[in-house]
Amino acid sequence: DAKTTQPTSMDCAEGRAANLPCNHSTISGNEYVYWYRQIHSQGPQYIIHGLKNNETNEMASLIITEDRKSSTLILPHATLRDTAVYYCIVRNYGQNFVFGPGTRLSVLP
Amino acid sequence: DAEITQSPRHKITETGRQVTLACHQTWNHNNMFWYRQDLGHGLRLIHYSYGVQDTNKGEVSDGYSVSRSNTEDLPLTLESAASSQTSVYFCASSEETRPYEQYFGPGTRLTVT
Repeated sequence: DAKTTQPTSMDCAEGRAANLPCNHSTISGNEYVYWYRQIHSQGPQYIIHGLKNNETNEMASLIITEDRKSSTLILPHATLRDTAVYYCIVRNYGQNFVFGPGTRLSVLP
Repeated sequence: DAEITQSPRHKITETGRQVTLACHQTWNHNNMFWYRQDLGHGLRLIHYSYGVQDTNKGEVSDGYSVSRSNTEDLPLTLESAASSQTSVYFCASSEETRPYEQYFGPGTRLTVT
């Protein structure tokens, strides 16, 4: 699997958009980008995934650059409940997930 | 509502004892997974199953075993518990058509003394 690089931690003001970057410069053509998050003391939760087009669902938006070497997860209106560790994972369809250290997002009141 | 449960939520055991952690899901998912989470290592895959009677080793399977006799359950057994197996264990499941959307249980905190 291609490796990903994420900032260790980020802060965001409540009500503002949270933009979480992920670098995956060695991604191959058939690898997808997935995002999960883990709220303290809970199991991880699936957020969104994409191949090359931008994606949006009820939780977030995923913006993938044209060269696919990086992506950004956007939480449009962050709330205190969005405080969590966010994992960016790159893998081929059908392969197992490899969770890295992720980004610890703190949403501040 | 469908759900995935783990039991016990907390357990303390002694080195050398056999321990079984239970995982039960009511979504009728074919795919089930066991992970462990330690500080500094993130989540690591232990074993996984794509259906009844199917089991596969993950990244850190030594000292662990699983069996899948029905769709709903994937118990994880530590054959002879070691202090290095002190960890938080998460079970997850996913459906065949959406394998990327794994649903995780609440976790079991295991301490081996």
